This record gives sequence, structure tokens and C-alpha cells, in this order.
Amino acid sequence: GAGVSQTPSNKVTEKGKYVELRCDPISGHTALYWYRQSLGQGPEFLIYFQGTGAADDSGLPNDRFFAVRPEGSVSTLKIQRTERGDSAVYLCASSQQGTGNTGELFFGEGSRLTVL
Amino acid sequence: DAKTTQPPSMDCAEGRAANLPCNHSTISGNEYVYWYRQIHSQGPQYIIHGLKNNETNEMASLIITEDRKSSTLILPHATLRDTAVYYCIVMRETSGSRLTFGEGTQLTVNP
Repeated sequence: GAGVSQTPSNKVTEKGKYVELRCDPISGHTALYWYRQSLGQGPEFLIYFQGTGAADDSGLPNDRFFAVRPEGSVSTLKIQRTERGDSAVYLCASSQQGTGNTGELFFGEGSRLTVL
Repeated sequence: DAKTTQPPSMDCAEGRAANLPCNHSTISGNEYVYWYRQIHSQGPQYIIHGLKNNETNEMASLIITEDRKSSTLILPHATLRDTAVYYCIVMRETSGSRLTFGEGTQLTVNP
């Protein structure tokens, strides 16, 4: 597709369940980012991939959160033992390269996670 | 990355110029100023960026003061579709494009 694609667009789950959110970046983009956005707040950085490796995972809030990008394209954000506080919109972005003056990120429309 | 300060909200009449200010008084020499916007229920969208010279593209103009401690994003002829939250972000060129979003300015364009 032409843009960053995220699935599902909406996910409702129960406290304690496991959730996977998928991101399909723009073809050829080597850098991929995950952000989380709570209501009324700006997006909060979670993790950044350059190729297959996580170049910066300092934004992951705790060890319940994990992300992979095994082939350097699609990425999956995994949340274990979900808590109500995990409810947010999870945004994925990609860019041509992840270093230097390359702050032009292309964002998807997000996956809205609701934990009941 | 330097902190930015933006007004929480602004209004603008349709067809008029929207001037969105941003203070970044602690900006350092290798930090760029980026602007993004986020229309309701969509992901953020890149608008423009600059280091110290003024910049213009098809969406907007960016005016950076000579001391680089503040900047203004200008939408020359605002339309209703420009209603969005506008984020001013300062970023080091070596930070791996990790954008740190604040709370931004909610711009409402009125008919």
C-alpha cells in the first residue's frame, strides 16, 4: 500500500489478556517506530527499529511490552498481561532512514486498544 | 532534546493566515525545529522543518528567529481542514529521528 498500515484499527480485550498489534510500513523504509498516545496527550515514544534490530527501546514502559521486526519490514507490538492503563492508541511510523536529519516520519492511523 | 512551549489553543478565521508560535529557548546548535500536525482520529503528519533559515513548502512556512529561541509556523490561507493539533518538536540530528511530542496547539479554523 501507499502508506503505513496498522491492524487491527480497534481492539477490545480484557485485563490480563495478551494482545498483538501489527504494523506494515511503507515499502523500502528501513526505520520503524512505535508510539503510544493517551487521550488528550501527544504521542509518546516506545521503540525504534533500524532494519531488524531495535536501535532504541528505552520508551517501552515495562517488560510486558515487546516488539519484533524479524524481516526488517512488518513489525508486531506485543503486550502481555494487559492492564487498564494500557488503553491508548498505538501509532506506528516509518521513515526512509533513521539517522541524521530525517525527522520526517510517516504515521499510520493507529490501533486503538481498550482494556476492560 | 530541547523542550518546547506552545499555547494550548488558537482560533483562526477561514481564509486568513494562521500563525502558530513555539518557544524553544534552550535549543542547541545542532537541533532542528520540526512541525507536525494531527487531525482528529488520524496519525501525525509531517509539515516542515528547519535549522536556522526560514523554510517554505506547499503546506506552510517556517520562520525561525535569528537567535533560534523561537519559531512560527504560518499557514497562509487556513481552511477548515487545517483544524488540528499542531506540534512543534526540537530534535538533534543524531537522535535517530526519535520525536518527542509535547501537548501541541489545538488550532480551530472557523468558517
